[in-house]
Amino acid sequence: DAKTTQPTSMDCAEGRAANLPCNHSTISGNEYVYWYRQIHSQGPQYIIHGLKNNETNEMASLIITEDRKSSTLILPHATLRDTAVYYCIVRGGSNYKLTFGKGTLLTVNP
Amino acid sequence: EAQVTQNPRYLITVTGKKLTVTCSQNMNHEYMSWYRQDPGLGLRQIYYSMNVEVTDKGDVPEGYKVSRKEKRNFPLILESPSPNQTSLYFCASSPRTYSGANVLTFGAGSRLTVL
Repeated sequence: DAKTTQPTSMDCAEGRAANLPCNHSTISGNEYVYWYRQIHSQGPQYIIHGLKNNETNEMASLIITEDRKSSTLILPHATLRDTAVYYCIVRGGSNYKLTFGKGTLLTVNP
Repeated sequence: EAQVTQNPRYLITVTGKKLTVTCSQNMNHEYMSWYRQDPGLGLRQIYYSMNVEVTDKGDVPEGYKVSRKEKRNFPLILESPSPNQTSLYFCASSPRTYSGANVLTFGAGSRLTVL
């Protein structure tokens, strides 16, 4: 699976959009981009995933660049409860295993 | 509610005393997996199972055993726990899909301390 690079930490004001970047320059054609988050030692929680097209669900939006070498997770209206470590993971379709990096600690401030 | 349930959530034990951490899912998922999480090392896969009676080693299988006799259950067994197995453990499951995208659902975690 392709390696990902994320900033170590980010801050966001409550009510603002949080934009979390991820670089995955070695991604291959059949690999998906997944985002999970972990709130203080709880089980990782699935947020969203995508292959080529931008995706949106009730939690977030995922913007993938046309060359697929980077992506951005967008939380449109961050709340204090969105404070968590966010993991960007690239994984091939036939591989069920998730390889977690260090992720980005997002702190939402009042 | 669709979920992965782990027990116990917290356990303090002593070196050498066999223990089992249970994991059960109610989503009829084929794939199940165990991870451990340690400070500075992140989440690492211990064992996984693609279906009943099919298990395989992950990245850090030493000191652990698993079994998959039923589809819903995937217990993690520590035959002779040691202090270096003090960790936060997560069980996860996923349906088997052929579209190329698989979403893992994680349990709430089991915090194990071995003295």
